[in-house]
Amino acid sequence: GENVEQHPSTLSVQEGDSAVIKCTYSDSASNYFPWYKQELGKRPQLIIDIRSNVGEKKDQRIAVTLNKTAKHFSLHITETQPEDSAVYFCAASNQGGGADGLTFGKGTHLIIQP
Amino acid sequence: NAGVMQNPRHLVRRRGQEARLRCSPMKGHSHVYWYRQLPEEGLKFMVYLQKENIIDESGMPKERFSAEFPKEGPSILRIQQVVRGDSAAYFCASSPGGPNTIYFGEGSWLTVV
Repeated sequence: GENVEQHPSTLSVQEGDSAVIKCTYSDSASNYFPWYKQELGKRPQLIIDIRSNVGEKKDQRIAVTLNKTAKHFSLHITETQPEDSAVYFCAASNQGGGADGLTFGKGTHLIIQP
Repeated sequence: NAGVMQNPRHLVRRRGQEARLRCSPMKGHSHVYWYRQLPEEGLKFMVYLQKENIIDESGMPKERFSAEFPKEGPSILRIQQVVRGDSAAYFCASSPGGPNTIYFGEGSWLTVV
């Protein structure tokens, strides 16, 4: 089955700096890669996703890149703000988006230092 | 659209009791998924259901855990004879099926004392 590794487990950056979270996956058939943000005590919320037919996707301060050859994808947050502090989870799926086959990384605790 | 609704949000059970967690998917969604999240850990897939069918239960412990999604009413995750190790957040998610994003409910926090 799919195995998703996520690094780092904790990331502390100064407000205004950029943050990068990286994930690798094992199943070359995976074709859908969502990122979720989870604030303390709250539900995971989708913030951005990418499908295997594109290499990069951007939404305001958030971008995701995908390297299918190397089987890794990354989340980039620019101009970080205090409200970006949360746990971020990457996931990979070989079913094009449905959770049948959605495997999550262990999460990255992002801390934005004022 | 009310989103994915879970209840109860918090549940305390003594060891040996039963816990029942309910999930109503988003309107128009017929696919329901249950995930468990232990403290400081990621989301572990438990079970995937469609109306009246269990599609994939590969993440469910073999004993004490069961799930259903009846024709009418919410999906229910049932944990019998709970133990301390069952203490976790249980998240339900739904999708309309196919290559679409899944959306999570607010979670049910189970504490076993």
